[in-house]
Amino acid sequence: RKEVEQDPGPFNVPEGATVAFNCTYSNSASQSFFWYRQDCRKEPKLLMSVYSSGNEDGRFTAQLNRASQYISLLIRDSKLSDSATYLCVVNGGNFGNEKLTFGTGTRLTIIP
Amino acid sequence: GAVVSQHPSRVICKSGTSVKIECRSLDFQATTMFWYRQFPKKSLMLMATSNEGSKATYEQGVEKDKFLINHASLTLSTLTVTSAHPEDSSFYICSAGDGGDYRIQETQYFGPGTRLLVL
Repeated sequence: RKEVEQDPGPFNVPEGATVAFNCTYSNSASQSFFWYRQDCRKEPKLLMSVYSSGNEDGRFTAQLNRASQYISLLIRDSKLSDSATYLCVVNGGNFGNEKLTFGTGTRLTIIP
Repeated sequence: GAVVSQHPSRVICKSGTSVKIECRSLDFQATTMFWYRQFPKKSLMLMATSNEGSKATYEQGVEKDKFLINHASLTLSTLTVTSAHPEDSSFYICSAGDGGDYRIQETQYFGPGTRLLVL
């Protein structure tokens, strides 16, 4: 089983729609979770951290379910600029262990 | 947010030559930096953890004698791909953490990446 698993997509979604991605992780000791976005041929950029209580940043909402070991990302009112690959990222499991494990990413294309 | 730079952004070299890639944290000090590699349509894979003032820690399957890492200061880590071969052609990305604080884990910031093509 992969350490971090994501549906690679692609997701082709009309502008203005809501889209959700899920990600599962295998290391139950993982403590920190993130969503990064990566544009084509660019480096990943932090989109948001994922907290146990769930968190929201504008049109983006992230949720964590520790019992089921999955993380979700919800994008509301999607924009053309949201087209990118979204990477689910999990840390090494111990505070101070900053090693990150990346999912393969979910490719999203917003259609005008 | 914190800024991490990489140089060069792109390099083309002949098979058998060595290539050095620099990673710098521009506005913060990083005791640890990470080197990743990403092949087309694949996820980032951690190659090694670069520790300032000590030896790097390599991931399983990554040859330490081929990928030399030097972390000589708190703002600079270098990755040297020695005797490069076409199969080493990839996108190499470094990251550095901002240290965080007692409340939250540090955040990793990524450099813009170096695209290496070995002919």
